Amino acid sequence: AQSVTQLGSHVSVSEGALVLLRCNYSSSVPPYLFWYVQYPNQGLQLLLKYTSAATLVKGINGFEAEFKKSETSFHLTKPSAHMSDAAEYFCAVSAANTDKLIFGTGTRLQVFP
Amino acid sequence: NAGVTQTPKFQVLKTGQSMTLQCAQDMNHEYMSWYRQDPGMGLRLIHYSVGAGITDQGEVPNGYNVSRSTTEDFPLRLLSAAPSQTSVYFCASSYSGGFQTQYFGPGTRLTVL
Repeated sequence: AQSVTQLGSHVSVSEGALVLLRCNYSSSVPPYLFWYVQYPNQGLQLLLKYTSAATLVKGINGFEAEFKKSETSFHLTKPSAHMSDAAEYFCAVSAANTDKLIFGTGTRLQVFP
Repeated sequence: NAGVTQTPKFQVLKTGQSMTLQCAQDMNHEYMSWYRQDPGMGLRLIHYSVGAGITDQGEVPNGYNVSRSTTEDFPLRLLSAAPSQTSVYFCASSYSGGFQTQYFGPGTRLTVL
């Protein structure tokens, strides 16, 4: 079975500061890992995904994430936060032997001027 | 393409009432799923379908029914609504499970009194 844990339900940063959102996964088979973003009153949209190619994955809006098998982590980073990055971010895991996508509990990112 | 559409956007029910949340997609996706989103709990999978005529349970299926008679439509039925089903419901679709990107609808906000 697969699961994800997102550390920190709320993260606050200043505009221009580094964004780091943490995600650890559990999977008995090689996982596929995703980060989705949800802006207020909207559905979710894909930021980036890891599908066993490069371990450093670049996504939209300057975000990237690194798959670290030894740490079972897939943390999301952005070098310089922008006010428009304020949203809720969800880490999710799937696998080749399942059709299910399992989400973490989400991290709400606030960006202060 | 309209993508994934959901109706209604908002709904208020009384305990014991039944209703159907509609979901449709025009991308010819085989895989469709329903999630509920509750504060602090992220998105939890209710039911999913890997193609017309095939459905399966997710993490929280109790109190909900689904069917998939066409590729395009995947309605979610609440047979006897309970206050615990107050939530925001999202429908999603993709070409398949596994590593495929899921596309989300805008959500239905349901309140059960």
